[in-house]
Amino acid sequence: DTEVTQTPKHLVMGMTNKKSLKCEQHMGHRAMYWYKQKAKKPPELMFVYSYEKLSINESVPSRFSPECPNSSLLNLHLHALQPEDSALYLCASKGQGGSPLHFGNGTRLTVT
Amino acid sequence: GENVEQHPSTLSVQEGDSAVIKCTYSDSASNYFPWYKQELGKRPQLIIDIRSNVGEKKDQRIAVTLNKTAKHFSLHITETQPEDSAVYFCAASPLTTDSWGKLQFGAGTQVVVTP
Repeated sequence: DTEVTQTPKHLVMGMTNKKSLKCEQHMGHRAMYWYKQKAKKPPELMFVYSYEKLSINESVPSRFSPECPNSSLLNLHLHALQPEDSALYLCASKGQGGSPLHFGNGTRLTVT
Repeated sequence: GENVEQHPSTLSVQEGDSAVIKCTYSDSASNYFPWYKQELGKRPQLIIDIRSNVGEKKDQRIAVTLNKTAKHFSLHITETQPEDSAVYFCAASPLTTDSWGKLQFGAGTQVVVTP
């Protein structure tokens, strides 16, 4: 069981579609993250929200748009994606100080 | 920024033998070193972590050692079992009270335990 919940588990979208990935945690963590992971590669950081404010954007293309409506929710809005954006998108959350990063089960995204 | 190198990229071991994965890091400000295990199609799961004020930490068959002077840390798995087969990632980050821990991951090690 994971304490970080992501929906949907799988998503197939065309290059002209608009879709959103959702992430929820109820551990009281004040930092939430989006990572992208390609097959056989480590997770790559995309965005970090701390206290519901965007604190890190790792030069991610604007076709990915994050949103943090409240301290428990994190969304990633997708628009005009490319086939090379197909990957596993992982949400994670973290408490303050020395606590570890907790990953959700991810959304497997395929762009056709 | 931080750069983490991980070796080997693949590791095959016989069931019951030990497995060792090594990582080096570049940023002396890094003081938090977690290890994640990722089974095929699943999320990375934290298996053990160590902070720079500790040289070694053990949890049952898993242990991590840290040499801060040499900037390297290692994962040791003893008495390996088939369910230990997975990709293992090391990571490093600075950890302060107001740091949200921008983890830098190593490239990963595919561990295969054969019966």
